[in-house]
Amino acid sequence: ETGVTQTPRHLVMGMTNKKSLKCEQHLGHNAMYWYKQSAKKPLELMFVYSLEERVENNSVPSRFSPECPNSSHLFLHLHTLQPEDSALYLCASSQQGASGRAYNEQFFGPGTRLTVL
Amino acid sequence: GQNIDQPTEMTATEGAIVQINCTYQTSGFNGLFWYQQHAGEAPTFLSYNVLDGLEEKGRFSSFLSRSKGYSYLLLKELQMKDSASYLCAGTDSWGKFQFGAGTQVVVTP
Repeated sequence: ETGVTQTPRHLVMGMTNKKSLKCEQHLGHNAMYWYKQSAKKPLELMFVYSLEERVENNSVPSRFSPECPNSSHLFLHLHTLQPEDSALYLCASSQQGASGRAYNEQFFGPGTRLTVL
Repeated sequence: GQNIDQPTEMTATEGAIVQINCTYQTSGFNGLFWYQQHAGEAPTFLSYNVLDGLEEKGRFSSFLSRSKGYSYLLLKELQMKDSASYLCAGTDSWGKFQFGAGTQVVVTP
């Protein structure tokens, strides 16, 4: 148990569906992240939120839409996904230091296994 | 940006030692993390090296050479539960992580 929870753990959706992934951290951290993990590939950073503001968007298609309503919660809204979007989606949190520098480790949730049919 | 390279898979027997190498090419490199990830679970933190040298934590040790752009994770007295993927990740001065693809370690009886 890392203090970061994600729901649902598994999700199967069609290409025309709209769904949302939820992440919650109970560690009092001020930065949250979405990663995509595909088989045999490095973790890909998708979005970074620091103090509830999006500070990074790594050229992610617009069919992925993040939302961070407060420092403890992070959502990833999904719509009109493609089969190649099937992957494990991991949420992480960390405590960023002064001037936005984050030297501390990231704590990961268990991930949502997404399958797009 | 950063490029992180590590082997895809390694196999070792219970009780043995395995060394997982990681090389990185990065601008603004700050430090190097190692994470362990069991199948279907979250990656969990193992170690962090920012200075050259060896950091020992029980059966696991991690080494960093900044001049060579090289790190390794050493797993001693392997146990079956050590079968997992081991992720190497470099960070820059802003704390941005760049992960390798992970090394799948298979421990056999």
